[in-house]
Amino acid sequence: SQLAEENLWALSVHEGESVTVNCSYKTSITALQWYRQKSGEGPAQLILIRSNEREKRNGRLRATLDTSSQSSSLSITATRCEDTAVYFCATDEGFASALTFGSGTKVIPCLP
Amino acid sequence: NSKVIQTPRYLVKGQGQKAKMRCIPEKGHPVVFWYQQNKNNEFKFLINFQNQEVLQQIDMTEKRFSAECPSNSPCSLEIQSSEAGDSALYLCASSPLWGNYAEQFFGPGTRLTVL
Repeated sequence: SQLAEENLWALSVHEGESVTVNCSYKTSITALQWYRQKSGEGPAQLILIRSNEREKRNGRLRATLDTSSQSSSLSITATRCEDTAVYFCATDEGFASALTFGSGTKVIPCLP
Repeated sequence: NSKVIQTPRYLVKGQGQKAKMRCIPEKGHPVVFWYQQNKNNEFKFLINFQNQEVLQQIDMTEKRFSAECPSNSPCSLEIQSSEAGDSALYLCASSPLWGNYAEQFFGPGTRLTVL
């Protein structure tokens, strides 16, 4: 099976604006998860969206899932400096219960 | 904020040396995963446990790595003979459940550098 993939390596956004990270995957899934990894930390789950769901929200985060096009998006509204991180989508298409991660998209709301 | 504890945070070894890292999963989590994350942010699943039993492992892990999760002791992952290509961030994750909908809680990782 092929890995889930995010479409862009990095995204720069002005603080306060919205940003969307996209992900595509290749095989059928039962769920897709979005994780965030800040510098020096391990990934932390943001949202899990099941294959029978089309949208899921968590505070300023909104995830969508389109199983017909095998794609997902994660939108962050009103971005803050603390949203600076690499965002990964992860699917269950690998070994049972092991996650298959995409290559990640770095979101940079606050350029140094 | 991670409740999964990994030690050491940094590990430097020469080629051919053993490299051992430890993980204390979150309390009450019977499922433990090890992943390798390389400098390109690519993840590779290595092995997982439920309680003390190995559930799945990839071929590389079977041949060059040894891992265990004994009861009442930290889990460990050991590379028997380190190679330059083993330089990576090794992430331990634990989960309260087995299954595709279970959230995995990650530790901060052990960054291994093989010189």
